[in-house]
Amino acid sequence: QVQLQESGPGLVKPSQTLSLTCTVSGGSISSGGYYWSWIRQHPGKGLEWIGYIYYSGSTYYNPSLKSRVTISVDTSKNQFSLKLSSVTAADTAVYYCARGSYNKPLGYWGQGTLVTVSS
Amino acid sequence: SYVLTQPPSVSVAPGQTARITCGGNNIGSKSVHWYQQKPGQAPVLVVYDDSDRPSGIPERFSGSNSGNTATLTISRVEAGDEADYYCQVWDSSSDHPDVVFGGGTKLTVL
Repeated sequence: QVQLQESGPGLVKPSQTLSLTCTVSGGSISSGGYYWSWIRQHPGKGLEWIGYIYYSGSTYYNPSLKSRVTISVDTSKNQFSLKLSSVTAADTAVYYCARGSYNKPLGYWGQGTLVTVSS
Repeated sequence: SYVLTQPPSVSVAPGQTARITCGGNNIGSKSVHWYQQKPGQAPVLVVYDDSDRPSGIPERFSGSNSGNTATLTISRVEAGDEADYYCQVWDSSSDHPDVVFGGGTKLTVL
């Protein structure tokens, strides 16, 4: 059974970089065909897809966040990471990592981690 | 970019049938997935590929997809079904596939 677990600081100061890691267990992050995604949810709002890294290493980001987002993978640790730069209070949200395949659902999700941007 | 439109809220009495729609341009040509999210929890997949159910999801949850509308149907609604529901597709109209979510529908059990 694949499991995903987000980790990282729960509080980030404005203008700094938000950094989160998703640790994958029960399966290899290098397994073919999967898109390893980050999704966020502002308090009381809907789901917003941030971007993904494909198992091959290619990345694609939501155009609305593209200039500030970097997603990378560390296959040796079976982890992938999110960096969001120049954060503001508007980036306060619960951040989820998830796994999916093209045209298939995001079948595995982490439990989510709340990140608050505040001085 | 591709847009999915859901009603903000749906209300239904216990034992009745709830129908939650997800509108999108020619959505019938895409595979639609539905997630249930209860407060403080991560989304849980309840229907995938328009109408299939993951193991452990009650048969009361079903889905359909045709034309410009996909529908999640919950039969014999129970109090425990009260949650937010999101539809999701992959959009490949650009050079990379995008993950697209609907805005979500709050199901209230009266």
